[in-house]
Amino acid sequence: GAGVSQSPSNKVTEKGKDVELRCDPISGHTALYWYRQRLGQGLEFLIYFQGNSAPDKSGLPSDRFSAERTGESVSTLTIQRTQQEDSAVYLCASSYTGTGSYEQYFGPGTRLTVT
Amino acid sequence: RKEVEQDPGPFNVPEGATVAFNCTYSNSASQSFFWYRQDCRKEPKLLMSVYSSGNEDGRFTAQLNRASQYISLLIRDSKLSDSATYLCVGTQNNFNKFYFGSGTKLNVKP
Repeated sequence: GAGVSQSPSNKVTEKGKDVELRCDPISGHTALYWYRQRLGQGLEFLIYFQGNSAPDKSGLPSDRFSAERTGESVSTLTIQRTQQEDSAVYLCASSYTGTGSYEQYFGPGTRLTVT
Repeated sequence: RKEVEQDPGPFNVPEGATVAFNCTYSNSASQSFFWYRQDCRKEPKLLMSVYSSGNEDGRFTAQLNRASQYISLLIRDSKLSDSATYLCVGTQNNFNKFYFGSGTKLNVKP
């Protein structure tokens, strides 16, 4: 079946502009995660959605970052007033948290470059 | 201290060698563990889950030692295609939180 998809695959933006990144999780996956990965670094947790529960926003680095999810489907990550340090790959992952299966499946990521 | 820590490497090994990575975790409440593989400029992909009893998938063997709080990955008969970064992952809070290590880089050379 279809995997996690993300768009755009690449985004170049000027410092100070807002950007919106999109994630389509695997159908039926109740959990959705956003991560940031800077060049040569590990994954940095940003935010987690689980069904209709309040999201876990504990990883968002500043109030310029926000995310929304519609039910158990699409999610958007918005970065306002982008800074050069926001340049990174933004990865989305989804998982099914029913009995016995908790692995995360990742999308291909959005490579953000802030100039 | 990070939740999950790994030796960044790189581990440079010849084809056919056996190589092992360890990963330590700090929270004894961590519930489940996974190994992911990440190729350069690609997304992480699940390699295998790690069970308390240890599990094997072909050339790959994963072990969990809860007493010492570490996870290991053993790769036998290394192939050139095994060259990648291997990420150790632990979960907590009924799988609501996934903690990724920074990864261990493996280079398999001819």
